[in-house]
Amino acid sequence: DIVMTQSPDSLAVSLGERATINCKSSQSVLYSSNNKNYLAWYQQKPGQPPKMLISWASAREFGVPDRFSGSGSGTDFTLTISSLQAEDVAVYYCQQYYSSPLTFGQGTKVEIK
Amino acid sequence: EVQLVESGGGLVQPGRSLRLSCAASGFTFDDFAMHWVRQAPGKGLEWVSGINWNSRKIAYADSVKGRVTISRDNAKNSLYLQMNSLRPEDTAFYYCAKSPCSTGCDSFHHWGQGTLVTVSS
Repeated sequence: DIVMTQSPDSLAVSLGERATINCKSSQSVLYSSNNKNYLAWYQQKPGQPPKMLISWASAREFGVPDRFSGSGSGTDFTLTISSLQAEDVAVYYCQQYYSSPLTFGQGTKVEIK
Repeated sequence: EVQLVESGGGLVQPGRSLRLSCAASGFTFDDFAMHWVRQAPGKGLEWVSGINWNSRKIAYADSVKGRVTISRDNAKNSLYLQMNSLRPEDTAFYYCAKSPCSTGCDSFHHWGQGTLVTVSS
């Protein structure tokens, strides 16, 4: 199984500042035949289901604000919130869909400092 | 608008069975793979099972393999999860989730609101 490890477990960032969440996979999720990273990011606010933010490591979903961006390749990935807004308080998860079983990181809780 | 509505959750004793359903609307159901993902209260996300568009490709997490069966009825736009021999550790919100394609791209593009399964005596 591919183990996904996020860091940090939580972080507090001032409004308007940058938040950076890291995700590391225990093996590469880059599929060589199509050069795509099978990595997604989700946001989950309290009492709500998760919402997909980014697929293929860096492709922002329709309607997701452009302050959210994804980067990385192979085994190391980053979700960046360029200017934190109050509505971004949530838990963020990475997920690999390179192989079964599909696996998630443990989550990173983002709060306002 | 994509809508996924789960039902069938509730309180059940250990060892008993439960069948979850997910009613889908707002998209062509048989064009997409579907999944069940669960979340124990206050915990992280755990993928449970997935099924491709024509039910020929099915996968399960090791934690539920042999106790759970995923199925779909494309004529009824519905996804199901038959859960047997339930254990207290199966207590969780169970989410129905839609993939963005028919097979081979198993991220979770849309999610239902979830149904709570509580396994307790």
